[in-house]
Parts: sequence; structure tokens; C-alpha cells
Amino acid sequence: QKEVEQDPGPLSVPEGAIVSLNCTYSNSAFQYFMWYRQYSRKGPELLMYTYSSGNKEDGRFTAQVDKSSKYISLFIRDSQPSDSATYLCAMHSGAGSYQLTFGKGTKLSVIP
Amino acid sequence: DTGVSQDPRHKITKRGQNVTFRCDPISEHNRLYWYRQTLGQGPEFLTYFQNEAQLEKSRLLSDRFSAERPKGSFSTLEIQRTEQGDSAMYLCASSPKYGFGSSTLTYEQYFGPGTRLTVT
Repeated sequence: QKEVEQDPGPLSVPEGAIVSLNCTYSNSAFQYFMWYRQYSRKGPELLMYTYSSGNKEDGRFTAQVDKSSKYISLFIRDSQPSDSATYLCAMHSGAGSYQLTFGKGTKLSVIP
Repeated sequence: DTGVSQDPRHKITKRGQNVTFRCDPISEHNRLYWYRQTLGQGPEFLTYFQNEAQLEKSRLLSDRFSAERPKGSFSTLEIQRTEQGDSAMYLCASSPKYGFGSSTLTYEQYFGPGTRLTVT
């Protein structure tokens, strides 16, 4: 079992829909959680950074963390064609190691 | 542009040749990371520098790979005797030690555009 599981999709939604992206993890040492957006042939762009259970909102994006279930989510409201990209979840234990552990990424297409 | 920069953006090389990539982190970031990403996968960690010290290396970093960060500024990643399996996107990231305007440790990392390596 991989440390971080993420459904690769692809996920296709109509413009204006609410998108829900999810990751589960097995390592209870993970304390810090990030969501990145990656356009084709580009580097990942940091969207959200959270370190506690609960919700964090930034514009149309909401990150949700449930440490008891080892489950994180990213919600995108009023999705736009420009949101079409691969979304990667990433996690960090905060101590002893400096690396981020990534999911495989979910490819999202928002259809006009 | 104050983001992470990488050079070259794309490198095509023949099997057995050596290649070197450069990364310039965000200027105030003392932490620098290298990752490798293959198609359909998330980035995989290769190595980490804090200032000029290389503090962590992944098992993925075979003897053919070497990374440096002289003077704690830019970093280079060299691959010797390239193999077709080395074809991937090589990503550099940097991070500050503390969150912006705070004394709280932070672990967010900011990535560059990557160098796409094709080994023929």
C-alpha cells in the first residue's frame, strides 16, 4: 500500500460545478498537507497549505483535513475551464525528514 | 520574476552522456529540494539542502546522481552515464524556514518549472 492514495481520474465536470478531490494516507506521522495544481508540462503550483484538522478557505478553494480518518479533500467552487489541470496532494511529517510525499495526482477537465 | 527558476527547460541527450541541470531558488529561501516526476506520477523526492549542506538523500539518488549547492545559493544536479530510465521531469523547489512574517516553522515548498530530460 502506498503512503498516499489519490484517484488519478480523469475527472470531467461542466463549468460552474463544484469539484471534490480527495486523498487518503496511511502514515499517521503526516501533519502538514498541501494541494498543488500542475498544468501540462509545467511545475506544480502551491494552492493550499494546512496543518490542522478542519477547513481552510481561499477564494473558490476549500481544503479539508480529517486526521482521524486520514483523509484530505480539496473543493473547487464555480469551476472554470482554466481550472483544468492535474491536482496533486502532498504531505509532510514535520520532523525527521524534509521531503514531501505526493499522491499520483487527479487530472481534472472543466468543460465550457 | 521572483520564483524558482530552472535551466535548461528541456534537455535531449544520448544514452551514456552526462547532463547537468541548474536551479535558482527564491532568494530568501535557505531550503532547496530536488524531485523527479515521471508521466502519470507525483513528484518523488531526490535530495534536500539547507544552505550549502546536503542533509537528506533518497534511495532514488543512485551513484550516478550528484547534487551540489555551493555557497548556499543556486544548486546543480548532475546525472552521469545517463540511461533511458532517467527520462523524466526534474523539479527543483525551495522553501523558507519560517512562514511569512512569523516565527512558526513552515513546510510548504515552491516549485520551479522543471527540466524535462529525454534520453535517447
